[in-house]
Amino acid sequence: EVQLLESGGGLVQPGGSLRLSCEDSGFTFDSYAMSWVRQAPGKGLEWVSTISDSGSGTYYADSVKGRFTISRDNSKNTIYLQISSLRVEDTAVYYCVDHRYCHGGRCSTGFWGQGTLLTVAS
Amino acid sequence: DIQMTQSPSSLSVSVGDRVTITCRASQGISSYLAWFQQKPGKAPKSLIYAASTLQSGVPSKFSGSGSGTDFTLTIDSLQPEDFATYYCQQYYSYPITFGQGTRLEIK
Repeated sequence: EVQLLESGGGLVQPGGSLRLSCEDSGFTFDSYAMSWVRQAPGKGLEWVSTISDSGSGTYYADSVKGRFTISRDNSKNTIYLQISSLRVEDTAVYYCVDHRYCHGGRCSTGFWGQGTLLTVAS
Repeated sequence: DIQMTQSPSSLSVSVGDRVTITCRASQGISSYLAWFQQKPGKAPKSLIYAASTLQSGVPSKFSGSGSGTDFTLTIDSLQPEDFATYYCQQYYSYPITFGQGTRLEIK
């Protein structure tokens, strides 16, 4: 079964930087767009960023644009989220997801990782 | 941005009940609507995509319907393992947006 394994979370001071990683154990990683979704403590789900299967297309929520950078290395079955200028409100569990169910030119979420917790505090 | 509004925000129901959750989009999204289930302390799980297509392994007690702006998730014969929070999501356009969630509680 496909497994998405996130890593890189931790405690970071406001203004700091961090890189999250998500490795896909599947065999068709380079066939799917991938996204990061986050969930602040006690809150709902918030889409953060998406990268196309080739990596040529990237999309960001306004709340992270200019501070977060999504990338992927298809040779390593891994996506990354480089986060800078961290804010307290970035504190959340960050999930990576794949977009394997496609129809009509758009693709829906399939598998979710278990999440990695990022805490921004001084 | 497309706003997704779920109702109700919470629902107290009994084991064996049938429940329907509604999700409304602020503009038409065709059938680009997904549903997710999340249990406390766990990652979300994908249930439905394309408004009504069950993901592999999801039991047929779950069903989705709708198109355009109005969608529903129906769960038949609720069991203890179904008590969770359910989210809708539109993937018609960026930014991808979620509903605020509907929490099912045991009566």
